[in-house]
Amino acid sequence: EDQVTQSPEALRLQEGESSSLNCSYTVSGLRGLFWYRQDPGKGPEFLFTLYSAGEEKEKERLKATLTKKESFLHITAPKPEDSATYLCAVLLSGYQKVTFGTGTKLQVIP
Amino acid sequence: GAVVSQHPSRVICKSGTSVKIECRSLDFQATTMFWYRQFPKQSLMLMATSNEGSKATYEQGVEKDKFLINHASLTLSTLTVTSAHPEDSSFYICSARKSGGTDSPLHFGNGTRLTVT
Repeated sequence: EDQVTQSPEALRLQEGESSSLNCSYTVSGLRGLFWYRQDPGKGPEFLFTLYSAGEEKEKERLKATLTKKESFLHITAPKPEDSATYLCAVLLSGYQKVTFGTGTKLQVIP
Repeated sequence: GAVVSQHPSRVICKSGTSVKIECRSLDFQATTMFWYRQFPKQSLMLMATSNEGSKATYEQGVEKDKFLINHASLTLSTLTVTSAHPEDSSFYICSARKSGGTDSPLHFGNGTRLTVT
């Protein structure tokens, strides 16, 4: 069965304290992996797409990487405004739909 | 670019009535749109996939007669919750994929908070 698992479920960081969020997947035929940010009461906001192992994408304090089994979202020197739930999602071969992981709720304390 | 507008953002209705939620792609055409449901502190659960001009594909366990989906144009999909009951109260989010981009990401609306009293 295809599975997408994110860890940790929740993460509390001091402002400036770098860390990484994990998204591991056991799927057959990955076509793409997406990272989203979701603020409370809002829809997910697209961050990155990764298509192949070894690929990396960066945006401001965020960097996403992909291996054959997992993806990491690295947050460098986070600020309080980075507090949100971060979701990863996978697009599988032969499907249109995207399956989401359970998310990591990040809190950055000033 | 890639803006998705969802309306209304909040709706309260009485049990037994129907509610329609609209999802529009404002600056791109979307052959495929998706409807998700999200319970508190949980991730997004796909309800159905809609393709412009054809019937929606519903996920297992989702009642197609209760959640009517119409995707009449390349920029508009609607979800109608028929004969709503309190257990239908939830956060409904639509998303759209740009036409021609089968591997491209989904872009989401800001969701609709439905409360059925």
